[in-house]
Amino acid sequence: GNSVTQMEGPVTLSEEAFLTINCTYTATGYPSLFWYVQYPGEGLQLLLKATKADDKGSNKGFEATYRKETTSFHLEKGSVQVSDSAVYFCALSETGSARQLTFGSGTQLTVLP
Amino acid sequence: NAGVTQTPKFRVLKTGQSMTLLCAQDMNHEYMYWYRQDPGMGLRLIHYSVGEGTTAKGEVPDGYNVSRLKKQNFLLGLESAAPSQTSVYFCASSPSDRGLGTEAFFGQGTRLTVV
Repeated sequence: GNSVTQMEGPVTLSEEAFLTINCTYTATGYPSLFWYVQYPGEGLQLLLKATKADDKGSNKGFEATYRKETTSFHLEKGSVQVSDSAVYFCALSETGSARQLTFGSGTQLTVLP
Repeated sequence: NAGVTQTPKFRVLKTGQSMTLLCAQDMNHEYMYWYRQDPGMGLRLIHYSVGEGTTAKGEVPDGYNVSRLKKQNFLLGLESAAPSQTSVYFCASSPSDRGLGTEAFFGQGTRLTVV
């Protein structure tokens, strides 16, 4: 079956630090890959996505590249802000699966001023 | 612009009690889902529906039932609550007529505690 392995947290950074959250996946087919973000007290919302190898998803200064050879989709941001404090989830979905999402365990990020 | 709305937001149940969680979406999406979120385990799919009148089991369906009598609503039922069902429950919806990478839209969650 499908699975997503995500870097364990929590992660605490100072404002303007560089962020990397690692994500690797196992899939039977050719999945689409996502990063969702959950701000305190809210539901999940899509941060970025990629649908094929070497695609780079980007949004709000965050980036992730679909690496088929290493089955990875690591999330990066060059300079984090306090407002980026949230839980980040890596996820995949496969064609023909009714868009079911398989999630990683989530990484809690806290950014200190 | 409501999106996906879950009711209630919080609930405390005693072991053995029953309850129904309601999810409503106003985006005319075909697909709807119920996930549970537990610490260190991410979100896991309980049940899902690909259209009005259809339901299917996800990864962790035991102890739950669902119904999709109307396209906009997806109900999750617990017939006899157990402490192991203490969790945060998220409903989501997604359109069926778009290509790869179509996102799911999530509700704000229901925090359920079973004592």
